[in-house]
Amino acid sequence: SAVISQKPSRDICQRGTSLTIQCQVDSQVTMMFWYRQQPGQSLTLIATANQGSEATYESGFVIDKFPISRPNLTFSTLTVSNMSPEDSSIYLCSVVGGRQFYGYTFGSGTRLTVV
Amino acid sequence: DAKTTQPPSMDCAEGRAANLPCNHSTISGNEYVYWYRQIHSQGPQYIIHGLKNNETNEMASLIITEDRKSSTLILPHATLRDTAVYYCIVRVIRGGSTSYDKVIFGPGTSLSVIP
Repeated sequence: SAVISQKPSRDICQRGTSLTIQCQVDSQVTMMFWYRQQPGQSLTLIATANQGSEATYESGFVIDKFPISRPNLTFSTLTVSNMSPEDSSIYLCSVVGGRQFYGYTFGSGTRLTVV
Repeated sequence: DAKTTQPPSMDCAEGRAANLPCNHSTISGNEYVYWYRQIHSQGPQYIIHGLKNNETNEMASLIITEDRKSSTLILPHATLRDTAVYYCIVRVIRGGSTSYDKVIFGPGTSLSVIP
């Protein structure tokens, strides 16, 4: 399966600022996904990011708040904009594994605290 | 998209088999059942997947009922390191001109392995 490097692993940010999270994959993948996991909760899909096209956002998530870039087949970024304490969560990127039916591989996540 | 229901929590004695049930009564014929687990503060880890036949790998066994409306993940000899949240997921893949492949997480089952 693919190996994912996600940066930063954690950060503490001031409200009103923005944070960009990077996701680097060791192989070319078509589809990348960004998830949010709020404290004590399950994972919620934010958006699907395909190279060469606009990201597709799930209900409740908008591009102005969570802009995503996907410049090539191995890299993506998620920006959390104009942060508030409610944005404190773990953010994870995910890709489909090397063999399509192997499943998804997840990064180790970015633990964000907004103060 | 098919939804899944799981018990919120389970206990299992160390060394015994852990049997985690999942209901997916609205699953379609070409949708796969996947199991992941998430150990505290880590990204979800793939365990196993299946379509309609029972599957076994080095981590676990997956038993899918004949009507595919439910399945059971079996950890044959649970250890303390198996304490985690286990997610049963139906993976939706649609081909054609617009690829569609995403995983929606439910709340999962929190498994506690007790010494």
